[in-house]
Amino acid sequence: NAGVTQTPKFQVLKTGQSMTLQCAQDMNHNSMYWYRQDPGMGLRLIYYSASEGTTDKGEVPNGYNVSRLNKREFSLRLESAAPSQTSVYFCASRGQGTEAFFGQGTRLTVV
Amino acid sequence: AQKITQTQPGMFVQEKEAVTLDCTYDTSDPSYGLFWYKQPSSGEMIFLIYQGSYDQQNATEGRYSLNFQKARKSANLVISASQLGDSAMYFCAMRDSSGYALNFGKGTSLLVTP
Repeated sequence: NAGVTQTPKFQVLKTGQSMTLQCAQDMNHNSMYWYRQDPGMGLRLIYYSASEGTTDKGEVPNGYNVSRLNKREFSLRLESAAPSQTSVYFCASRGQGTEAFFGQGTRLTVV
Repeated sequence: AQKITQTQPGMFVQEKEAVTLDCTYDTSDPSYGLFWYKQPSSGEMIFLIYQGSYDQQNATEGRYSLNFQKARKSANLVISASQLGDSAMYFCAMRDSSGYALNFGKGTSLLVTP
């Protein structure tokens, strides 16, 4: 019962470094999402993918890129990390007419 | 653009009492869906309950019920018979009419006291 798997769980980056957060789901869901969670701000949508081959910007897309590699995988890339991108990142997936299922989160610190 | 508002940053309730967590939304779409999630201190996101904009009845799931007032654009979560394990952050979210984008409110922190 893997559900939504995110890697890594923790990461520390230096300002200017790049990294890719990986996300995979095994529920055959069409839609996938990337959120960031900051204290007092709730979950803010970065990007989403309604289906394989499509991606759309959410509320806070600046500084991020995404790739929907296939139906299972949706990655989030930080090309040049900034301290403002220190956050907890959640990946989620959703099927037609269902709720969203979330990964365990990635705690990213940019120093 | 859609907006989800949770006006209560923090709430207290005594064990075994009922509590209502507020959520208001703003959308011009006739078709939308509303979700509530729980996030305990361990960090995982747990789905609680869903209400579709065309659903005639208020959704219920065990001790959770959704007080859906469409004209007021509110979708308040009611937790009956609170338990200590209900202490957590609670988030309201809305799916837009495209069926894809899912936007969250800022959350309400609930503390259940003995």
